[in-house]
Amino acid sequence: DIQMTQSPSSLSASVGDRVTITCRASQSIDKYVNWYKQTPGKAPELLIYSASTLQSGVPSRFSGSGSGTDFTLTISSLQPEDYAIYFCQQSHSAPLTFGGGTKVDI
Amino acid sequence: QVQLQESGPGLVKPSQTLSLTCTVSGGSVSSSNYYWNWIRQPAGEGLEWIGRIYARGTPNYNPSLENRVTISTDTSKNQFSLKVSSVTAADTAVYYCSRGGPGYSNWFDHWGKGTLVTVSS
Repeated sequence: DIQMTQSPSSLSASVGDRVTITCRASQSIDKYVNWYKQTPGKAPELLIYSASTLQSGVPSRFSGSGSGTDFTLTISSLQPEDYAIYFCQQSHSAPLTFGGGTKVDI
Repeated sequence: QVQLQESGPGLVKPSQTLSLTCTVSGGSVSSSNYYWNWIRQPAGEGLEWIGRIYARGTPNYNPSLENRVTISTDTSKNQFSLKVSSVTAADTAVYYCSRGGPGYSNWFDHWGKGTLVTVSS
């Protein structure tokens, strides 16, 4: 199985801050990484697929980059509704696997 | 807009079989363009992909659960289902059904709200 390691596991940030979350794959996976946001009690929501393509309806302050084994999710200016847990997921090969999550709070 | 809704018992006894159904609206499980997935999340933990099914195709399962899992579709009701046999407390989780991205993409662009299943006697 491909292991996805996210860092940090949690971070504190203020409204307006630039936030960066990283995800490392245990083997090269080209650009087969996707990012999700989950708020308490809700299902995850797709933010970015194929490493850098913004899902329809997702604000442009979210962006993704990377290829191979190292990937980044960036929030350019943190908004109050962005406090959540963020997960990466590899879609290179089954079994599909997720990172452990990064909790973003105040 | 595609919508998915999980349904099934919220409490299952150890060693029994967990059975859930996902009802799809605004889309078709018969569509030849999408995977239909089950994913679970224990309380306070991360996400685990359970498996997927697609039209006229063979289901794929996570090897960690493969011997205990069955995913199937009911095209007449536009539903797909999950069965997990011989459950233990470790199977307690919120279970989500989701649709994969277009062109059999392996991301998840539509999710149900999730249903909590507790394994307890």
